[in-house]
Amino acid sequence: QPVLTQSSSASASLGSSVKLTCTLISGHTTYIIAWHQQQPGKAPRYLMKLEGSGSYNKGSGVPDRFSGSSSGADRYLTISNLQSEDEADYYCETWDSNTHVFGTGTRVTVL
Amino acid sequence: QLQLQESGPGLVKPSETLSLTCTVSGGSISSSSYYWGWIRQPPGKGLEWIGSIYYSGNTYYNSSLKSRVTISVDTSKNQFSLKLRSVTAADTAVYYCARGTPPYGLDVWGQGTTVIVSS
Repeated sequence: QPVLTQSSSASASLGSSVKLTCTLISGHTTYIIAWHQQQPGKAPRYLMKLEGSGSYNKGSGVPDRFSGSSSGADRYLTISNLQSEDEADYYCETWDSNTHVFGTGTRVTVL
Repeated sequence: QLQLQESGPGLVKPSETLSLTCTVSGGSISSSSYYWGWIRQPPGKGLEWIGSIYYSGNTYYNSSLKSRVTISVDTSKNQFSLKLRSVTAADTAVYYCARGTPPYGLDVWGQGTTVIVSS
C-alpha cells in the first residue's frame, strides 16, 4: 500500500489555477511532505516543504504563483496564473525514520 | 550556490556493478546540516529513492534495493558515491544525486545521468 497517492493527471487553461493533491495513508496524516516539479527532459526541482498545519516554506527562486495548503491527510499544491512552463510532472515526497518515498506524480497540462 | 553533478559509465553489463559519483560544489559535504541521497527514474516512470548517507556516516537504503546497494562519502574530494551490484535491465534509469536538510526531505537536485544496463 503506497504511503502517498496522487492523481495521474490534471489540466487547466493558461492563466487559470490548478490544485494538486497528495494524500497520506492512515497513520501518516501528520507527516510533512515536499513538492517537486519535473519539467519534460529535466531534473526534478524542489518547490516547497508543507506541514500538516498548512505552513509551507518554498525553495529559492520558486515563483509566488506556487503555494501549499493542507487538510487532514491531504497536502495541496496550488499553481495560480498558470504559465506554459508550469507544464510538468509534480511529485510529492515524504520520509519516515530516514527512509523516503515519492508519490506516483501528477502530470499537469496547460491548455 | 550549491551544485551537484553525477558522473559515471553510461553503459553497464548485466550482472556487473553500477558505480556513480556525485561531486558537490559550492558547499561542503562534511557539513552536519545536510544529508546526501540517490534517486533513480526508469524510462517513462516515476521517482524511486535509493538511499541516503548522513554526516555521521549512517546510511539508509530502500528495502527493495538494500541487498545490492552501498552509498559512501569521500570528504577529501567532496563527493559521495553509489554502487549497485548485480544489475539487470530493470536498473536502467536516470540516476540523480540530491541533498537533503534534516529532518526534512530532498531540496537540491543534480541534473541526472542516464545508465543503461545492456550487454
